[in-house]
Amino acid sequence: EVQLVESGGGLVQPGGSLRLSCVASGFTVTSNYMSWVRQAPGKGLEWVSATYSAGSAYYADSVKGRFTISRDNSKNMLFLQMNSLRAEDTAVYYCARSYTSGWSPDYFDFWGEGTLVTVSS
Amino acid sequence: ETVMTQSPATLSVSPGERATLSCRASQSVSSNLAWYQQKPGQPPRLLIYGASTRATGIPARFSGSGSGTEFTLTISSLQSEDFAVYYCQQYYNWLSFGGGTKVEIK
Repeated sequence: EVQLVESGGGLVQPGGSLRLSCVASGFTVTSNYMSWVRQAPGKGLEWVSATYSAGSAYYADSVKGRFTISRDNSKNMLFLQMNSLRAEDTAVYYCARSYTSGWSPDYFDFWGEGTLVTVSS
Repeated sequence: ETVMTQSPATLSVSPGERATLSCRASQSVSSNLAWYQQKPGQPPRLLIYGASTRATGIPARFSGSGSGTEFTLTISSLQSEDFAVYYCQQYYNWLSFGGGTKVEIK
């Protein structure tokens, strides 16, 4: 059974940093595109970042230069290092697996429960 | 960037009635379109991919249609558990979501 479990969210001051983690089970994170998708309170879904092959990393313009996605293949984990956080980064962050049939990610077939990040002084 | 626009923002429907949700892409996404259902406090759940293929375990009352720039999600007879927010997502030109349609009880 595929499962994704996020952790690492919390309250952080503007300009601060936070590292999110996602533990995957039931599959290997190297076999699919893996993404972080966020949802601000009462708002819609926003894709944030994705990774697939070693060294590949993709970012939304809103987080480029501030966030870094990475994996630990030995632990089957996905991470999101978030620096220079802003109030507008406040959201539930979901770890999500993409069905991957080609060179780019397809639809998200599995999601974690999410972890809440609050950026406030 | 492909912008996805969903309409209406809110749809009021009585249980047992049919609901029709729309999703429009700013440029063609072929059939690379997915639909998700999200209930309060839960992550999104995949309903439809490839514009019209139901995901595993999704009831037959959910159907998707369309290609190119115009897509529709139809719920043939709304059940109590179907009242939720629905999102479309394209995966032709990278990834982007629509703003969502809330289906509420009339």
